[in-house]
Amino acid sequence: ETGVTQTPRHLVMGMTNKKSLKCEQHLGHNAMYWYKQSAKKPLELMFVYNFKEQTENNSVPSRFSPECPNSSHLFLHLHTLQPEDSALYLCASRESGGSGNTIYFGEGSWLTVV
Amino acid sequence: SQKIEQNSEALNIQEGKTATLTCNYTNYSPAYLQWYRQDPGRGPVFLLLIRENEKEKRKERLKVTFDTTLKQSLFHITASQPADSATYLCALLTGGGNKLTFGTGTQLKVEL
Repeated sequence: ETGVTQTPRHLVMGMTNKKSLKCEQHLGHNAMYWYKQSAKKPLELMFVYNFKEQTENNSVPSRFSPECPNSSHLFLHLHTLQPEDSALYLCASRESGGSGNTIYFGEGSWLTVV
Repeated sequence: SQKIEQNSEALNIQEGKTATLTCNYTNYSPAYLQWYRQDPGRGPVFLLLIRENEKEKRKERLKVTFDTTLKQSLFHITASQPADSATYLCALLTGGGNKLTFGTGTQLKVEL
């Protein structure tokens, strides 16, 4: 238990569906992240939020839409995805302001696009 | 271009031996380097952080070195056990401390 909870753990969706991934952190952190992990590739940073404001968008296609309503919750809204978007999506949180602060990951949401 | 390289080939070692994993980076000037462990289907778990002005850091059976001249970090597990089998990732904190960029990871298998 890392204090970062992701739901659902597994999701299968069609290319025309709309779904959302949810992340909640119970650590009192104020920075939250979405990462994508595909087979044989390094973890790819997608989005960074600091104090609910998006501070990083790593050239992510618009079919991925993040939302951060407060410092504890982060969503990733998915629509019209492609099969190559199938991957493990990891949420993480960290205390902002200290470069050495550890980042804590959730267990991830396995996404399969059919 | 910026790169973080870890040996992509799996490392197989015998129980009780020391495992040494390598992380090389180019075109970064990180103030911190971190190592994580990832088990299949799980999120990465933080292990150790080393600062640019530190040469070595230890935690129980783990040791990390950081050579900013060579742009390399070595991660050692002494007296390795089968339970140490996992993928180990190195990561650099960049972007003013907001971005954690990962290497591809090295899979370690400790055999009886």
